Amino acid sequence: EAGVAQSPRYKIIEKRQSVAFWCNPISGHATLYWYQQILGQGPKLLIQFQNNGVVDDSQLPKDRFSAERLKGVDSTLKIQPAKLEDSAVYLCASSPRRGGRGTGELFFGEGSRLTVL
Amino acid sequence: SQQGEEDPQALSIQEGENATMNCSYKTSINNLQWYRQNSGRGLVHLILIRSNEREKHSGRLRVTLDTSKKSSSLLITASRAADTASYFCATDVSKDDSWGKLQFGAGTQVVVTP
Repeated sequence: EAGVAQSPRYKIIEKRQSVAFWCNPISGHATLYWYQQILGQGPKLLIQFQNNGVVDDSQLPKDRFSAERLKGVDSTLKIQPAKLEDSAVYLCASSPRRGGRGTGELFFGEGSRLTVL
Repeated sequence: SQQGEEDPQALSIQEGENATMNCSYKTSINNLQWYRQNSGRGLVHLILIRSNEREKHSGRLRVTLDTSKKSSSLLITASRAADTASYFCATDVSKDDSWGKLQFGAGTQVVVTP
């Protein structure tokens, strides 16, 4: 079974530029998550999708971050304009969980490391 | 602020020794999960314990949960160099019939030397 795919693995941009990350979850997984992990910290949830609807985006800085999950499969996370503090690893995860059923386990991709100069 | 806090922040042990790390959390949970993250990689799920369970085993892993103290512990027995990684606890704070909302702690960095 293929895992969660993310690209690009690494990206270096200057502040005020824009960047986009792509995620392809495990086939059939209804729930998709984007997490931000700053060096030395645990992952922080940015947004959670159930199929193509947003379940939770309370910690997404909406003035600069946006995310979409068209057709309930792939997802993109965009940052525009980027700030120095956005330097982090952006992790995508998926889960087969549907409305309380399923194991609750998350399957993570390898992450996209962003450096903002 | 993060829901879970791991203790210790870092742990250095010799191969063959046991490694114990603890996690405390603040609000009620549906389940608690432990994940491992090797340097530069994504997180890998290790074990899940539900709020009505007190102890769970998986291979060399043993997890306990004390909901009255809002704490959990992860024990890795007979550690190996390959166990070197960061370990995170994650609490599922979903309300009934919601979709699995996980909050992660800051992690414990474990180094196992041969």
